[in-house]
Amino acid sequence: DTAVSQTPKYLVTQMGNDKSIKCEQNLGHDTMYWYKQDSKKFLKIMFSYNNKELIINETVPNRFSPKSPDKAHLNLHINSLELGDSAVYFCASSYSGGETDTQYFGPGTRLTVL
Amino acid sequence: SQQGEEDPQALSIQEGENATMNCSYKTSINNLQWYRQNSGRGLVHLILIRSNEREKHSGRLRVTLDTSKKSSSLLITASRAADTASYFCATGNSGYALNFGKGTSLLVTP
Repeated sequence: DTAVSQTPKYLVTQMGNDKSIKCEQNLGHDTMYWYKQDSKKFLKIMFSYNNKELIINETVPNRFSPKSPDKAHLNLHINSLELGDSAVYFCASSYSGGETDTQYFGPGTRLTVL
Repeated sequence: SQQGEEDPQALSIQEGENATMNCSYKTSINNLQWYRQNSGRGLVHLILIRSNEREKHSGRLRVTLDTSKKSSSLLITASRAADTASYFCATGNSGYALNFGKGTSLLVTP
């Protein structure tokens, strides 16, 4: 069974569109994350949720809105997509969010904005 | 904010050789983690070393930490083609997130 799953794996869309990426973890973890990896492989935290509560909201445009309906799910909705949003988006989860926690990553969603 | 910086950016070796990659960071840490990313995949945790540890081993992996120099190294011994991947160091971000470096791309050729 896949521990952290994301859908879709690939997303190609036009500028200005709105799209969502879904993430689910079956590890029973309390904390979930969204990271963005750019074309140079630089991985940057966007959001983290603990027990459905937003903990970290890095400097991310408010066109990005995470939603956590329950502890096992963290979805990412993006409004008015721009060319610069093209990247690979990774969902991750960890047991409690502590610094020594191992984070488990999903396979990534490659978003291409045309 | 970015914390770790890996060096070199890219490394190419032959099977059986050892691969060493380094990570430098800027602020004090409680621990440092190393992750591997195979092409087109998510990151996989390899090893964690705490600030009071100087060296840690896991199979063919050896990690060192020098807090006085704010640096860590990852050594992969007797490398295999399957070790081809990008390797990232990561430090805590006051809990609830990790700061990753830009990674070292390792290519192991048969």
